Amino acid sequence: NAGVTQTPKFRILKIGQSMTLQCAQDMNHNYMYWYRQDPGMGLKLIYYSVGAGITDKGEVPNGYNVSRSTTEYFPLRLELAAPSQTSVYFCASSPDTYTEAFFGQGTRLTVV
Amino acid sequence: AQSVTQLDSHVSVSEGTPVLLRCNYSSSYSPSLFWYVQHPNKGLQLLLKYTSAATLVKGINGFEAEFKKSETSFHLTKPSAHMSDAAEYFCVVSDHGSSNTGKLIFGQGTTLQVKP
Repeated sequence: NAGVTQTPKFRILKIGQSMTLQCAQDMNHNYMYWYRQDPGMGLKLIYYSVGAGITDKGEVPNGYNVSRSTTEYFPLRLELAAPSQTSVYFCASSPDTYTEAFFGQGTRLTVV
Repeated sequence: AQSVTQLDSHVSVSEGTPVLLRCNYSSSYSPSLFWYVQHPNKGLQLLLKYTSAATLVKGINGFEAEFKKSETSFHLTKPSAHMSDAAEYFCVVSDHGSSNTGKLIFGQGTTLQVKP
């Protein structure tokens, strides 16, 4: 059982570069989430999706974009990387709002 | 919009003594509430959840939490701390039936230190 898979695990970007963080789940969950975790700051919701074709902003969406063309995939796009986007990113999925979310192992991103 | 406040950023207890991690929430609708634990450089693990059934919820590793609607609280407790409980703990709220349905909001976290 793969669960929620994030790639890559680590990445170093230069300021101004772009990249896509990949997230895939094989549990047929409707809800998917992207969070960033900064030291001592907890997890902040970037974007979320309640189903294929439906996405919405979370608490800290600036500088990011998402798409959800299928149930399985929920990629997060950084267009112009900035040092403030240095963080650990977590993707998660859930079947509904009553059930706990299942998290990926995280992507550690450094922007230099 | 829903929100979560964890009242203590850091809690220190001695091994064998009780643990209390406090969480207050704000929700316009009937919420689901969760506690997650994160050990250093590890992923997130669910400890327990409340989803409108029994107000006293039992979780893994001897943890439990009580949902108190009148106090908008969902505090996490454990009768006797173990060294392996040292970690970061997150209280999480999810709304139902509102325009924010689907949002899963985390508190800022509480670091639990367990002293020998």
